[in-house]
Amino acid sequence: DTEVTQTPKHLVMGMTNKKSLKCEQHMGHRAMYWYKQKAKKPPELMFVYSYEKLSINESVPSRFSPECPNSSLLNLHLHALQPEDSALYLCASSQGLGGGSQRQETQYFGPGTRLLVL
Amino acid sequence: GQQLNQSPQSMFIQEGEDVSMNCTSSSIFNTWLWYKQDPGEGPVLLIALYKAGELTSNGRLTAQFGITRKDSFLNISASIPSDVGIYFCAGPPLQNTGTASKLTFGTGTRLQVTL
Repeated sequence: DTEVTQTPKHLVMGMTNKKSLKCEQHMGHRAMYWYKQKAKKPPELMFVYSYEKLSINESVPSRFSPECPNSSLLNLHLHALQPEDSALYLCASSQGLGGGSQRQETQYFGPGTRLLVL
Repeated sequence: GQQLNQSPQSMFIQEGEDVSMNCTSSSIFNTWLWYKQDPGEGPVLLIALYKAGELTSNGRLTAQFGITRKDSFLNISASIPSDVGIYFCAGPPLQNTGTASKLTFGTGTRLQVTL
């Protein structure tokens, strides 16, 4: 099973709204990722959680706030977004490094949340 | 930092034709990943390559890890309409540290198949 699920599939929000994106995996992976993707571009890394701790923040604005409640779940809290934040938001997971195997770096993606900020 | 260049950028082919695309880097990679992305969906892992010179197939797809470790190739045989999408190569940079890896993505190859 290599499934990562994301909810909601689509989200429309105003600039004053607060919303959350959710991601879940049951592969026993210990690393989880948030990416932002604009049309016709490759995904851009936002955050990485490793063993439930934030290990990488790619200088993302504070209006995006990640949270990892447990090893299977990853949330992205959104507040006071701008129209330019409209994009496809992708979650991914990998086994996590530390065991000496390259396969642990292979990332599996969820279906994404299409976000529109008005 | 490292960048991955994919070519061609886009291609139109007829159903039944074979397709070849490649990914090149100025630096060495130890892993090459090939993903396909349909519009509005997340990337789906097609093939993962872990060893220089490795040739791996997945149905009509075949990918190779270049012997120099600076390139990789993806071939699709007998294309069908559902092959339409964007194909990305990706790999973790050698300087990944800690317990989670960053991926460097290629620029993508957009494939369109006509009947």
